[in-house]
Amino acid sequence: ILNVEQSPQSLHVQEGDSTNFTCSFPSSNFYALHWYRWETAKSPEALFVMTLNGDEKKKGRISATLNTKEGYSYLYIKGSQPEDSATYLCAFIDNNNDMRFGAGTRLTVKP
Amino acid sequence: EAQVTQNPRYLITVTGKKLTVTCSQNMNHEYMSWYRQDPGLGLRQIYYSMNVEVTDKGDVPEGYKVSRKEKRNFPLILESPSPNQTSLYFCASKRGIGGYGYTFGSGTRLTVV
Repeated sequence: ILNVEQSPQSLHVQEGDSTNFTCSFPSSNFYALHWYRWETAKSPEALFVMTLNGDEKKKGRISATLNTKEGYSYLYIKGSQPEDSATYLCAFIDNNNDMRFGAGTRLTVKP
Repeated sequence: EAQVTQNPRYLITVTGKKLTVTCSQNMNHEYMSWYRQDPGLGLRQIYYSMNVEVTDKGDVPEGYKVSRKEKRNFPLILESPSPNQTSLYFCASKRGIGGYGYTFGSGTRLTVV
């Protein structure tokens, strides 16, 4: 069974704060790790696809790192804005192409 | 515009009345999948398809059927819906197996009474 854990479950920050959250996954049979952003009443949108240990990806104020040996990925948001409010999902894919989503971190950024 | 089109967006139905949720993608993606999202449980895969006429069960396939007769379409069929199938459903597609990211449809909120 693929266990993908995200923490914290929810997070409230003030506008301008920087924040980060974690996705933990099995450290064996790693193939890829995805991050998705899911705004309320919309569908999830892919942020990053990460495949190599040590990968760092960046899109604007959002960045992600990957450690496949210890089984975790961090998502960072620099200078959070209200429009960053969303649920952030990670998904782990193993070498058998089994894909498992975490339950998400719900971020609320207060003006 | 590259997209996954899912219909309907909202559906209320009665127990036992067969229904189909349609899903179509215009990106020539090989891989398509159906997920349900329930509070506290995250996205759980119902069925997936790696190509035309190739489908397989995900984690929660009971009570559902799918078909993949054409590359672009991947309908989800509930032959005899029950209240425990009340959920938010997403269709998603990606270029192939492995590390490609998903494009998701807009979701279908199904209520079975």
